[in-house]
Amino acid sequence: AQSVAQPEDQVNVAEGNPLTVKCTYSVSGNPYLFWYVQYPNRGLQFLLKYITGDNLVKGSYGFEAEFNKSQTSFHLKKPSALVSDSALYFCAVRASYNTDKLIFGTGTRLQVFP
Amino acid sequence: NAGVMQNPRHLVRRRGQEARLRCSPMKGHSHVYWYRQLPEEGLKFMVYLQKENIIDESGMPKERFSAEFPKEGPSILRIQQVVRGDSAAYFCASSPVDSPRNQPQHFGDGTRLSIL
Repeated sequence: AQSVAQPEDQVNVAEGNPLTVKCTYSVSGNPYLFWYVQYPNRGLQFLLKYITGDNLVKGSYGFEAEFNKSQTSFHLKKPSALVSDSALYFCAVRASYNTDKLIFGTGTRLQVFP
Repeated sequence: NAGVMQNPRHLVRRRGQEARLRCSPMKGHSHVYWYRQLPEEGLKFMVYLQKENIIDESGMPKERFSAEFPKEGPSILRIQQVVRGDSAAYFCASSPVDSPRNQPQHFGDGTRLSIL
């Protein structure tokens, strides 16, 4: 069965410092991986995706993510955090072969302190 | 605004009433997905529809819940005889016709359903 794990409920980081939000997945076949961000009382906004190709994927707002097949991970990163990055972040996976639905992790709350 | 439109944004119902949630996909999108988000949890897939067809309803509760996406008009998620446990945020997402599996789904702002 497909699954996504986000091991940290919350990540705290000081503004200007690098941030990492962790995600591991389990899926049969090649995964399609996505990161979304959710602000209060809003829907999810797409940040970036990995389908194939380079393991380092660049996305919106300066975020990037690294796909690691051997570790089945897709960690979200940003070199320098902003206070405005504070939000709820979701990792999601879709098996490439037979389904269109997304399987989401439970989310990680990112808090960036000034 | 060419985004996914959901209405109402907030809906309050008493136990036993019916709730109807509407979703208009992005222009040019013909794939619609419904997800439910319980407080402090991730999104759980409910149903995937194309025009006039239910493609995958593996996440739908067996009773009281139904969904449609008619040829004309928005997609509707219908919950009959609501109970307190139905209180949640319901999100609709859409994706384009071509290669939907490697395209991101675009989400609406959701409908927050509260059951009294």
